[in-house]
Amino acid sequence: EAEVAQSPRYKITEKSQAVAFWCDPISGHATLYWYRQILGQGPELLVQFQDESVVDDSQLPKDRFSAERLKGVDSTLKIQPAELGDSAMYLCASSRDTGYGYTFGSGTRLTVV
Amino acid sequence: GQQLNQSPQSMFIQEGEDVSMNCTSSSIFNTWLWYKQDPGEGPVLLIALYKAGELTSNGRLTAQFGITRKDSFLNISASIPSDVGIYFCAGHIVTGANNLFFGTGTRLTVIP
Repeated sequence: EAEVAQSPRYKITEKSQAVAFWCDPISGHATLYWYRQILGQGPELLVQFQDESVVDDSQLPKDRFSAERLKGVDSTLKIQPAELGDSAMYLCASSRDTGYGYTFGSGTRLTVV
Repeated sequence: GQQLNQSPQSMFIQEGEDVSMNCTSSSIFNTWLWYKQDPGEGPVLLIALYKAGELTSNGRLTAQFGITRKDSFLNISASIPSDVGIYFCAGHIVTGANNLFFGTGTRLTVIP
């Protein structure tokens, strides 16, 4: 069964440092999403891509977060500088089209110390 | 973001019992989805509902898309220990952004 690949699985970083997460969606899925999930809550959208274009980044803290999907396939989410409040699970998901169920990756658990 | 109210927040049940959880919103949704999340993992899609009134089953799971398009329920029959986890409802709203809004989750514990 096709999977969404994410790396790393776990990341511990000191505050003010830069950190990056990588996602490889299911082959052929044009839509890619980055979600943030704080412990005890449901995931919340950070950014949505359609191919290489950003469709929605209204909830992305753009002063410190950036995301790219240069060739419309894999994607990178970066935080610089990291803050203590950024500690969370960062989930990547993809779907063949909007309006359908997403497939999520296993996530990257970020701890900022 | 959109508010999806999920209840109950947590459940403790005996193995073999049936479980029911639901999700309501003040907004109209055109898709309802139910996910299960194990600790340290991403959510896994269980059931997707695309039409108001739709009733769909997946093994021991049954979910329905409410007629008003503002609610959905998930039933699990004859629970087993591996049903333990957090269940999230999620939905696409009719208008506006295409992203998926998630409920607050129901934590299920199954006692053997």
